[in-house]
Amino acid sequence: GAVVSQHPSWVICKSGTSVKIECRSLDFQATTMFWYRQFPKQSLMLMATSNEGSKATYEQGVEKDKFLINHASLTLSTLTVTSAHPEDSSFYICSARDLAGVLPDTGELFFGEGSRLTVL
Amino acid sequence: QKEVEQDPGPLSVPEGAIVSLNCTYSNSAFQYFMWYRQYSRKGPELLMYTYSSGNKEDGRFTAQVDKSSKYISLFIRDSQPSDSATYLCAMSANNQGGKLIFGQGTELSVKP
Repeated sequence: GAVVSQHPSWVICKSGTSVKIECRSLDFQATTMFWYRQFPKQSLMLMATSNEGSKATYEQGVEKDKFLINHASLTLSTLTVTSAHPEDSSFYICSARDLAGVLPDTGELFFGEGSRLTVL
Repeated sequence: QKEVEQDPGPLSVPEGAIVSLNCTYSNSAFQYFMWYRQYSRKGPELLMYTYSSGNKEDGRFTAQVDKSSKYISLFIRDSQPSDSATYLCAMSANNQGGKLIFGQGTELSVKP
């Protein structure tokens, strides 16, 4: 299947700093990528939908100024956690939508390996 | 009420057992139903998907959708220790552009 690469896989930072996470679709073009947050033993919570060449669409309750999303090319979306605080510590996962995948109409989603952020 | 409800478990079974995983949902507009498997500290991978109602079988895995009851199931036959993972159901309505609503995930442990 298609491959989505997410980097870094883990990062530790000091409170107040910003952290950038990259999500790349390696063998297909993804006009749409999604960013999720997952707390231990909990589900994936959709944070935002990233559309290539346009502004991201954020879910209710997600601060767009804190979680900056850029989708500048068909294979790369980035999530920047600005002025990170300990409560931002979490597992962040991206997915990329492949319209040529097995799912009709919706497109198949391929997930990255996730990025574990720890804010001290 | 959450849109998708899934018992988080954990569920522990002996090797070779039949495993039944379930989700209920409230949004009648959901048409696409998926099951993802997530190993510890990894991203989810698509296991099975079903469109609308019915059953689908793939090897040891069977997915069932009962839209009248808003209930979906995943059955794993002859479970193996390598099946130990968290299983997430996910759903989507038409024209949602791939936006999925996930269940909480059920943690499964298959003991040798």
